[in-house]
Amino acid sequence: GAGVSQSPRYKVAKRGQDVALRCDPISGHVSLFWYQQALGQGPEFLTYFQNEAQLDKSGLPSDRFFAERPEGSVSTLKIQRTQQEDSAVYLCASSAGTHSNQPQHFGDGTRLSIL
Amino acid sequence: QKEVEQDPGPLSVPEGAIVSLNCTYSNSAFQYFMWYRQYSRKGPELLMYTYSSGNKEDGRFTAQVDKSSKYISLFIRDSQPSDSATYLCAMSEFQGAQKLVFGQGTRLTINP
Repeated sequence: GAGVSQSPRYKVAKRGQDVALRCDPISGHVSLFWYQQALGQGPEFLTYFQNEAQLDKSGLPSDRFFAERPEGSVSTLKIQRTQQEDSAVYLCASSAGTHSNQPQHFGDGTRLSIL
Repeated sequence: QKEVEQDPGPLSVPEGAIVSLNCTYSNSAFQYFMWYRQYSRKGPELLMYTYSSGNKEDGRFTAQVDKSSKYISLFIRDSQPSDSATYLCAMSEFQGAQKLVFGQGTRLTINP
């Protein structure tokens, strides 16, 4: 597709359930990022992939959060044993290169609600 | 204190007005500065992208960076109702992690 695609757009889960969020980056983009955006706040960095390698996971809030990009294209963010504070919009972004001079392009996010 | 500070607004101005949005930051390693526009229930859309200090103009939008003051601005001329959105500033370092550090976002409404 032309842009970054995320699915599902909306996800409702009960506290304690596991969820998986998918990101399809722009074709050929080497770098992929996950951000978390709480209501009324700016996005906050979670993790970064360069091809299939996860080079930075410093933003993951706990060991319940896990991300992978096994073939260097599609990425999945998994949250285990969800808690109410995990409710947020999860944004995926991709960029063509590996340097900060390459702009990041965002998908429309997955809105996660934990009941 | 957050690395990037941005007044959340809300900001409401009449159509045709000049809008000024700004952010301050504390990390002197930031070298790339961006402005994103985010409509409700949509992802951030890149508007302006600048490196180091200086001005950049694109149509009705002008971005300014003053690294000595750690202050960046976005000006919107001849504002239109379609400009109503949340505007996010974002920054990244030159080397190392490419991660973006965002401000809180300013909610802007242009009234017809």
